[in-house]
Amino acid sequence: AQKITQTQPGMFVQEKEAVTLDCTYDTSDPSYGLFWYKQPSSGEMIFLIYQGSYDQQNATEGRYSLNFQKARKSANLVISASQLGDSAMYFCAMREEGYGGATNKLIFGTGTLLAVQP
Amino acid sequence: DAGVTQSPTHLIKTRGQQVTLRCSPKSGHDTVSWYQQALGQGPQFIFQYYEEEERQRGNFPDRFSGHQFPNYSSELNVNALLLGDSALYLCASRAWGTPELGVGYTFGSGTRLTVV
Repeated sequence: AQKITQTQPGMFVQEKEAVTLDCTYDTSDPSYGLFWYKQPSSGEMIFLIYQGSYDQQNATEGRYSLNFQKARKSANLVISASQLGDSAMYFCAMREEGYGGATNKLIFGTGTLLAVQP
Repeated sequence: DAGVTQSPTHLIKTRGQQVTLRCSPKSGHDTVSWYQQALGQGPQFIFQYYEEEERQRGNFPDRFSGHQFPNYSSELNVNALLLGDSALYLCASRAWGTPELGVGYTFGSGTRLTVV
């Protein structure tokens, strides 16, 4: 069954340090995409980074990188040089290709609340 | 360029009542999906609309229904409200003609519904 697991309900990190948020997934579809979203208290889901199942290299977007280990079915988010503005909920999500092209449903984990301390 | 707009931002309803939430997609987007996010949980997919038709549906009862208008905006209707329907309702849009897996969705800030 399709599932995203985030085992860290909350994380603390000192400003300017790096932090890793864990995500494991389960799917039987060979083609899928993995996303990380940031949700501040305002509620909006902000797209951070994407990794495709066939991508050979780990995705990077500025201070965000995705540590993709396909055999272990993990897609951890690494935030380098944390900033106070990074404090928010972070969600890992998956989208399967399915049959007839990409489906539109995103499957989310339960999220990790990150608190950046000065 | 306006992103996804949702209204109202907050709403309080009584059990048994009906509610309508509204969403205007990002400019250039023609596909709208709705998600329910209960407190402390990740969003759960409700359904998705394209060309004014429901194209995919999650595991939600028939009390949840929707509509898409010719201008691509959408409504989510919930009948016979239950206390458990209290949640943040998120709307997300994308362009149907870009099926690549990596094409991200643009989310709105949501409508926070409280059922008392």
